[in-house]
Amino acid sequence: GAGVSQTPSNKVTEKGKYVELRCDPISGHTALYWYRQSLGQGPEFLIYFQGTGAADDSGLPNDRFFAVRPEGSVSTLKIQRTERGDSAVYLCASSPGTNGKNIQYFGAGTRLSVL
Amino acid sequence: DAKTTQPPSMDCAEGRAANLPCNHSTISGNEYVYWYRQIHSQGPQYIIHGLKNNETNEMASLIITEDRKSSTLILPHATLRDTAVYYCIVRDHGSSNTGKLIFGQGTTLQVKP
Repeated sequence: GAGVSQTPSNKVTEKGKYVELRCDPISGHTALYWYRQSLGQGPEFLIYFQGTGAADDSGLPNDRFFAVRPEGSVSTLKIQRTERGDSAVYLCASSPGTNGKNIQYFGAGTRLSVL
Repeated sequence: DAKTTQPPSMDCAEGRAANLPCNHSTISGNEYVYWYRQIHSQGPQYIIHGLKNNETNEMASLIITEDRKSSTLILPHATLRDTAVYYCIVRDHGSSNTGKLIFGQGTTLQVKP
């Protein structure tokens, strides 16, 4: 079946611009995660949704970052006033359940470059 | 901070077993050991997980020491396509846990012909 889909695969923007990154999870998965991966590092947790609500947003670096999941399926990560330090690969993962043991399935990521 | 320690890199000859170690000396009783791998330009891929018993699936085997302070991921017959970064992660299965994964820097496995 279809996996987690992330669009666009690459995004180049200028410093100060606003960007939106989209994640289509596996159908029926209730849990959705966003991670950020800088070059040479492991992914870092940003935010977790259970259904429509953000159950844990402790990883968002500052208030320029925001994410939504209005219908409990597709999610959008929004970054305002982008900075060069925001350049990274943004990964989305989905999971079928709510408890900790459910396996997370990752998309290929969106590579964001802020010039 | 990640709760695991892994060597930064390893080499393995194609067709031979790859044994990737992981130390997790502060693991607690509720925490499972998970392994994911990340092939270049792809998202992480789940491999296997376990609590205290050894586990095997179609991809790999997981050997956990009796004191649970370390584990080894075994790829029995490594191929060039197994070249990737391998992440060892400890994760609490408690009902209050959100399931977020805390990645370290992993081990870069290079399989050579």
